[in-house]
Amino acid sequence: KAGVTQTPRYLIKTRGQQVTLSCSPISGHRSVSWYQQTPGQGLQFLFEYFSETQRNKGNFPGRFSGRQFSNSRSEMNVSTLELGDSALYLCASSLAPHREGYEQYFGPGTRLTVT
Amino acid sequence: ELKVEQNPLFLSMQEGKNYTIYCNYSTTSDRLYWYRQDPGKSLESLFVLLSNGAVKQEGRLMASLDTKARLSTLHITAAVHDLSATYFCAVGPSNTGNQFYFGTGTSLTVIP
Repeated sequence: KAGVTQTPRYLIKTRGQQVTLSCSPISGHRSVSWYQQTPGQGLQFLFEYFSETQRNKGNFPGRFSGRQFSNSRSEMNVSTLELGDSALYLCASSLAPHREGYEQYFGPGTRLTVT
Repeated sequence: ELKVEQNPLFLSMQEGKNYTIYCNYSTTSDRLYWYRQDPGKSLESLFVLLSNGAVKQEGRLMASLDTKARLSTLHITAAVHDLSATYFCAVGPSNTGNQFYFGTGTSLTVIP
């Protein structure tokens, strides 16, 4: 079956702009999580959505937001971009939330560069 | 905040040798995950460990979990070049919250 898809794969933005990233989970998966990966900070949890509700949120400023639609697709938005937001943004899907211990499947990621 | 430490950060080993990667975490959790990441690629799930004493094996990799020691290990047996990658452990959720925390990663290079 098809894996997790993320669009776009690459993105270049300017400081101060905003960006929206999209994630389509594996069919049947209802939980979507987002992660930021940078060389300096490593992999950091952004947020988790299940059934259109944000279940968990990591330690990121309010400029980072997300949502999940009724078909489980998810978007994350970053407003007022800063240079430090340059990163690989990974989306992961699973059948149910983290607490249930289900395996997460990661998408290919969106590489965001802020200039 | 839960902290997850992996060691070593970098590992260079010869083909055919055995080695262990360690993952220590700072607070109670009974859910531990191992992932593999190839350069420029996404993360691939290797193991999900859900209870104290859990042991899972796939090919040349074996993972175990000791929740009392807050320690997981990833053991590599008779390494081959194809195992060269970065390996991450991740913990969560824990008793202190629902966040998901990744370790720093171990960059493994297997030398022919």
